[in-house]
Amino acid sequence: EVQLQESGPGLVKPSQSLSLTCSVTGYSITSNYWGWIRKFPGNKMEWMGYISYSGSTSYNPSLKSRISITRDTSKNQFFLQLNSVTTEDTATYYCARYYMGINYWGQGVMVTVSS
Amino acid sequence: DIQMTQSPSLLSASVGDRVTINCKASQNINKYLNWYQQKLGEAPKLLIYNTNNLQTGIPSRFSGSGSGTDYTLTISSLQPEDFGTYFCFQHNSWPGTFGSGTKLEIK
Repeated sequence: EVQLQESGPGLVKPSQSLSLTCSVTGYSITSNYWGWIRKFPGNKMEWMGYISYSGSTSYNPSLKSRISITRDTSKNQFFLQLNSVTTEDTATYYCARYYMGINYWGQGVMVTVSS
Repeated sequence: DIQMTQSPSLLSASVGDRVTINCKASQNINKYLNWYQQKLGEAPKLLIYNTNNLQTGIPSRFSGSGSGTDYTLTISSLQPEDFGTYFCFQHNSWPGTFGSGTKLEIK
């Protein structure tokens, strides 16, 4: 079965970069699409972007200048980098596989942006 | 972006009840609508994809319907393990967007 697990710092300072790793087991990230979603306090959710089986990416226009999604196929991991964070980036971040919509999710990692 | 309006936000029901949750899109999403269940501290679980297709392993008491802009998740006979938060997700157009969630409590 496909399993995804997010990891990374739970606290980031304003203006710095947020970096998260998604480790995937049970399925190769060289197939399908793999992305990041976040859930804000108050429960609004946002689809941030994805990286495809070929390594191409697509980002939510609301984040386009700040976001980067990359991967390491040898480790079956993909990564999120979000630059110049503010307190409004405080959220729970999920990685997911995208096929017929989102069909597998990680448990999520809470990231707080605070000085 | 397509806006998804989900209702109700809170639902309290008894075991055995029939329960419905609704999502309304701001434009036609061509049945590209999924439903998820999430319990506290757990990963969201896909229940229904593309309006009415039951994900493997999901009990048949869950069903989905709809077209155009209006979609419904139905639980035919509520079970104690069905508590949690349910949300919809449209993937007709990029970026996909989410409903605001329905918290289902068991009376």
